[in-house]
Amino acid sequence: NAGVTQTPKFQVLKTGQSMTLQCAQDMNHEYMSWYRQDPGMGLRLIHYSVGAGITDQGEVPNGYNVSRSTTEDFPLRLLSAAPSQTSVYFCASSYWGAGTDTQYFGPGTRLTVL
Amino acid sequence: DAKTTQPNSMESNEEEPVHLPCNHSTISGTDYIHWYRQLPSQGPEYVIHGLTSNVNNRMASLAIAEDRKSSTLILHRATLRDAAVYYCILRGLRGSVYGNKLVFGAGTILRVKS
Repeated sequence: NAGVTQTPKFQVLKTGQSMTLQCAQDMNHEYMSWYRQDPGMGLRLIHYSVGAGITDQGEVPNGYNVSRSTTEDFPLRLLSAAPSQTSVYFCASSYWGAGTDTQYFGPGTRLTVL
Repeated sequence: DAKTTQPNSMESNEEEPVHLPCNHSTISGTDYIHWYRQLPSQGPEYVIHGLTSNVNNRMASLAIAEDRKSSTLILHRATLRDAAVYYCILRGLRGSVYGNKLVFGAGTILRVKS
């Protein structure tokens, strides 16, 4: 198993540009989520999904869109990048429902918006 | 609406035990207590979880108070590789108060001295 993969590893954008961060998992997990982590801070939940076709907002959803058309993929779209979105983005996945499920995190995408 | 409270930082000597506390006074009966850690420049990784009884695995032990309003992660012999941010997270069942969102607090920065 590759686990949770994220692409790209690094990205530099100009203000106003749009882009999609890719996340894929091969563990057949129902639950997938996106977090951002700013320097010196903990992770904040952006969006999450409990299955294909089902998404919901986390703590900091503004400026981001998600969709879940397959179990494996959960892309995060930045609609119009702003310097405040400079951060490290982590994708995670797990089974869903029992409370005991371990979350598996990807290696992260480091995004800089100029 | 922070659901767990942890000290900002702790320091330990190498080869000595470390006790990392977490308060979760609003925990419900179906919430599991999970611990994750984040090594520098990496995504978080699972450490341990429990519901009511104390738990042990190869990485650590988890001691849960009888009233479940607090817990302690125990690293029996800290090594330099254990220097990380440790997060205490409540994980609920589907539809429970915390079940739809997984919230990371600021965590505890553990420093290990050689």
